[in-house]
Amino acid sequence: AQSVTQLDSQVPVFEEAPVELRCNYSSSVSVYLFWYVQYPNQGLQLLLKYLSGSTLVKGINGFEAEFNKSQTSFHLRKPSVHISDTAEYFCAVSDPGGSYIPTFGRGTSLIVHP
Amino acid sequence: GAVVSQHPSWVICKSGTSVKIECRSLDFQATTMFWYRQFPKQSLMLMATSNEGSKATYEQGVEKDKFLINHASLTLSTLTVTSAHPEDSSFYICSAKKAGAQREQYFGPGTRLTVT
Repeated sequence: AQSVTQLDSQVPVFEEAPVELRCNYSSSVSVYLFWYVQYPNQGLQLLLKYLSGSTLVKGINGFEAEFNKSQTSFHLRKPSVHISDTAEYFCAVSDPGGSYIPTFGRGTSLIVHP
Repeated sequence: GAVVSQHPSWVICKSGTSVKIECRSLDFQATTMFWYRQFPKQSLMLMATSNEGSKATYEQGVEKDKFLINHASLTLSTLTVTSAHPEDSSFYICSAKKAGAQREQYFGPGTRLTVT
């Protein structure tokens, strides 16, 4: 069974500062990893994904994440955030050899202050 | 692209009535669609998986007679909340997988259901 832990329920940060949203997973098999963003009253939008290959993944809106197999982590980073990045961020993991149905973390609320 | 739409985006209904929510893949064929429920400030909870032309597979604890799912075509799945009660109020999100591309899902914008 897979699980995802997002250690921070809320991350406040000032505009133009860097940010890291943490995600750790547990799985006995290889994994696919995803980060989604959800703006208020909207569905999920894929930010980036790791399926294979380079462990550093670049996504939309200037976000990137690094897959670290030894630490079972997939932390999301952005060097300089904007007010418009304020949203809920979900990390998810799925099993490439199984049903591909992702397991989601509880989410991290990124709050960008002016 | 891979666009998924939901209709309606927001619905208010009276307790005891039934509500149907539609999920459509607009520019691709979706052999598999998923229905999620999301409570405020919480993560997505998978309710059921529906495959075109077959019965939906419900997750443990989800009442299949309460949440009727129909996946009649490769571009449309519907979720009907029967005899809705205030505790069914929630944000319902669907997602779809492209035929032949199983590794990721495309999410709809969600439907906010309020039962009074």
